Amino acid sequence: RKEVEQDPGPFNVPEGATVAFNCTYSNSASQSFFWYRQDCRKEPKLLMSVYSSGNEDGRFTAQLNRASQYISLLIRDSKLSDSATYLCVVNAGSARQLTFGSGTQLTVLP
Amino acid sequence: DGGITQSPKYLFRKEGQNVTLSCEQNLNHDAMYWYRQDPGQGLRLIYYSQIVNDFQKGDIAEGYSVSREKKESFPLTVTSAQNKPTAFYLCASSIGAGGYNEQFFGPGTRLTVL
Repeated sequence: RKEVEQDPGPFNVPEGATVAFNCTYSNSASQSFFWYRQDCRKEPKLLMSVYSSGNEDGRFTAQLNRASQYISLLIRDSKLSDSATYLCVVNAGSARQLTFGSGTQLTVLP
Repeated sequence: DGGITQSPKYLFRKEGQNVTLSCEQNLNHDAMYWYRQDPGQGLRLIYYSQIVNDFQKGDIAEGYSVSREKKESFPLTVTSAQNKPTAFYLCASSIGAGGYNEQFFGPGTRLTVL
């Protein structure tokens, strides 16, 4: 089982739609969780950290479910500019460094 | 402006040639990292350094070497033993070590083997 797994997509949604991504992780001792956004041929950029109580930043909501070992990202009222690959990141590896999922590709259509 | 810079943006390497990728940060971060991203794949950790004059191998260290003589700089040498044709190399830094803090990335170097 991979340390961090994401549905690769692609997710194609119309503008204004709500879309959700899930990510599962294998190491129950993981303590740090993040969502990053990566545009085509660019570096990843931090979207938000994921806290145990869940957190919200504008149209974006992140949730952590430790019992089932998954984190989620919800995007409301999708914009064209949300089109990107979303990377799930967990400190899960043997060296306890951050491990990046392969990403979920989102395309928001006009 | 604080940030991470990488150079060059594009690099072409002949088989058997060693090349060095530059990474500099002025964020006063202790930890620095090198990742490789293959086309359509996720990021994989090559090397990381939590403090000056110390560094550790990541998951795919074979064919690479690093140094950390200054806090601001973490250059990566791709040796002739590394035979991946084309990959995107990303440098990152974080305020603390141990994988608990968010990492911030430079713009990357795209390396092609001719």
